Amino acid sequence: QSVLTQPPSASGTPGQRVTISCSGGTSNIEKHNINWYQQLPGTAPKLLIYGSSQRPSGVPDRFSGSKSGTSGSLAISGLQSEDEADYYCAAWDDSLDAWLFGGGTKLTVL
Amino acid sequence: EVQLLESGGGLVQPGESLRLTCEASGFNLRDDWMSWVRQAPGKGLEWVACINGDGSKKHYLDSVKGRFTVSVSRDNTKNSLYLQMNGLRVEDTAVYFCARDGGGGWYSDYWGQGTLVAVSS
Repeated sequence: QSVLTQPPSASGTPGQRVTISCSGGTSNIEKHNINWYQQLPGTAPKLLIYGSSQRPSGVPDRFSGSKSGTSGSLAISGLQSEDEADYYCAAWDDSLDAWLFGGGTKLTVL
Repeated sequence: EVQLLESGGGLVQPGESLRLTCEASGFNLRDDWMSWVRQAPGKGLEWVACINGDGSKKHYLDSVKGRFTVSVSRDNTKNSLYLQMNGLRVEDTAVYFCARDGGGGWYSDYWGQGTLVAVSS
């Protein structure tokens, strides 16, 4: 069981805005930034957001991240069919001395 | 261009060993932290281990401590990361990805394509 909690699924129609939450605790998200990864079917994960809100070059500005207290969220605006993927949050945990991943959220574009 | 290529996966029986290799190109992995992350069939991502560039600092997932060892090549002509896996269990079955941890080790910005480890009797 993941210590970082994400909803197992999310959905939206093209053009909509969707958000995916990531809930943690005082030893991880409250102290450290969140990273978000996108995994398209059958491929390796790709870094989508780092430092809670920074986008690597090449990631569209439709993707944004935020953090407050012990939780964070990923927002995708102007939803497109190619955004259909699994999304994972991750954060370092000081108590475990380990990286934690959320359980993942499967995004469906209806 | 940064590239990571894993190899060494395969089918083994419980209790056996495997060594995974991640060959890096486009950067010197001794300048960065590196991680191993696995994904069991149909499941989510699970971080396994990470190591700093000179190999002096390592961290492991609790369930692999004492069984898995992460290392970087001591041969300066090789730019490789390793994961020695001993005492393999059925629950270790997964695709294993290596990743470069940029930003001083704070995020995995480049990933390999993964290598499948299957543990079954």
